[in-house]
Amino acid sequence: DVKVTQSSRYLVKRTGEKVFLECVQDMDHENMFWYRQDPGLGLRLIYFSYDVKMKEKGDIPEGYSVSREKKERFSLILESASTNQTSMYLCATQGRLNQPQHFGDGTRLSIL
Amino acid sequence: AQTVTQSQPEMSVQEAETVTLSCTYDTSESNYYLFWYKQPPSRQMILVIRQEAYKQQNATENRFSVNFQKAAKSFSLKISDSQLGDTAMYFCAFMKHRGAQKLVFGQGTRLTINP
Repeated sequence: DVKVTQSSRYLVKRTGEKVFLECVQDMDHENMFWYRQDPGLGLRLIYFSYDVKMKEKGDIPEGYSVSREKKERFSLILESASTNQTSMYLCATQGRLNQPQHFGDGTRLSIL
Repeated sequence: AQTVTQSQPEMSVQEAETVTLSCTYDTSESNYYLFWYKQPPSRQMILVIRQEAYKQQNATENRFSVNFQKAAKSFSLKISDSQLGDTAMYFCAFMKHRGAQKLVFGQGTRLTINP
């Protein structure tokens, strides 16, 4: 089974802090994704990566950046956290094109 | 751009009943994939079923089946003999066949199975 591990299940930070959310996968998947989930809006794509050091913006990249230095790890960075970034963040991987994505358990982030 | 709409924010049925969740989408693509994902209270997003747009036959996975109407851009999920463990948020999602393989999600339907 694919295992996608997100470093924190719950996280509380303060406005203005730099926040790192980590995602690690153990299946050598090329593609990795970061989504945020908000009630009534479903999941929306923030950034994705098709390979090491490669990244592309999703639908809502503002206020976020990402890093993929190694194939198995994809980090989401909130450069200066704001209260409107309080949300659930989900990481996903995809092994090959046209295959389903596999998700981590999510990080519920609160910005105070 | 693609959009996915789930018009039922919440549904509730009795155990063992059959329930149908609705999903419509909009796209100009001719080939694509559609998915239903389930998110129980544990938060783990689980793939329920997958449909390829170029396949006429509706996908089936045990008690879960879909009614895929390509011309109407409709993709409903039917759960037969519902069980307490089916209680979850259900998301419909779209993925293009080519190019950026992001998932485009609907708003979700919260399904409760009552004993």
